[in-house]
Amino acid sequence: AQKITQTQPGMFVQEKEAVTLDCTYDTSDQSYGLFWYKQPSSGEMIFLIYQGSYDEQNATEGRYSLNFQKARKSANLVISASQLGDSAMYFCAMREGSYPGNQFYFGTGTSLTVIP
Amino acid sequence: GAVVSQHPSWVICKSGTSVKIECRSLDFQATTMFWYRQFPKQSLMLMATSNEGSKATYEQGVEKDKFLINHASLTLSTLTVTSAHPEDSSFYICSASKPKSSGNTIYFGEGSWLTVV
Repeated sequence: AQKITQTQPGMFVQEKEAVTLDCTYDTSDQSYGLFWYKQPSSGEMIFLIYQGSYDEQNATEGRYSLNFQKARKSANLVISASQLGDSAMYFCAMREGSYPGNQFYFGTGTSLTVIP
Repeated sequence: GAVVSQHPSWVICKSGTSVKIECRSLDFQATTMFWYRQFPKQSLMLMATSNEGSKATYEQGVEKDKFLINHASLTLSTLTVTSAHPEDSSFYICSASKPKSSGNTIYFGEGSWLTVV
């Protein structure tokens, strides 16, 4: 089974609107971390936001928020007030446990295009 | 600012030659670094886990003799593509977990575009 599933290959959003990028995960571990990364066309992977499995509140970082629904095993990324510079690939990732050497699992990514 | 630095960003080499890519953690020590390969419009594929002071752990299907990984210090890991062929042309990116960050967040280098001609 896929550890991370992103079902939206491509998304479009109007500038200044909010958009939700879906991510579901599969793990039997109680301790895990969920991450979102942005990859512009230049290729670099930019860390956006982190949610720990024990965190009771949804993580927020500026215009990014993570809608964490543990029972549904979903960790959707919400981008508010979209900007043209938000156009990029977005990857959801998970690490089971917190040991730095544990493998990261990535989803297949969602390509977001912000329309002026 | 950058947390993990990767060099070079772009490299073109001739078939049969070797090319080395460096990955450095800038303000922290990384006992573990990861090397990924990414094909166009696809997700990252883990190639190997680089462990400081010991041999790298390679993923199934990755040729350890072709993709040499050396993690000689706590801040530097190198990936050497030996006897490169055009099919090795790809985007290679490294990452490391930053201790004491939220969830030991993994940060990525800028990535390296390799073209073998």
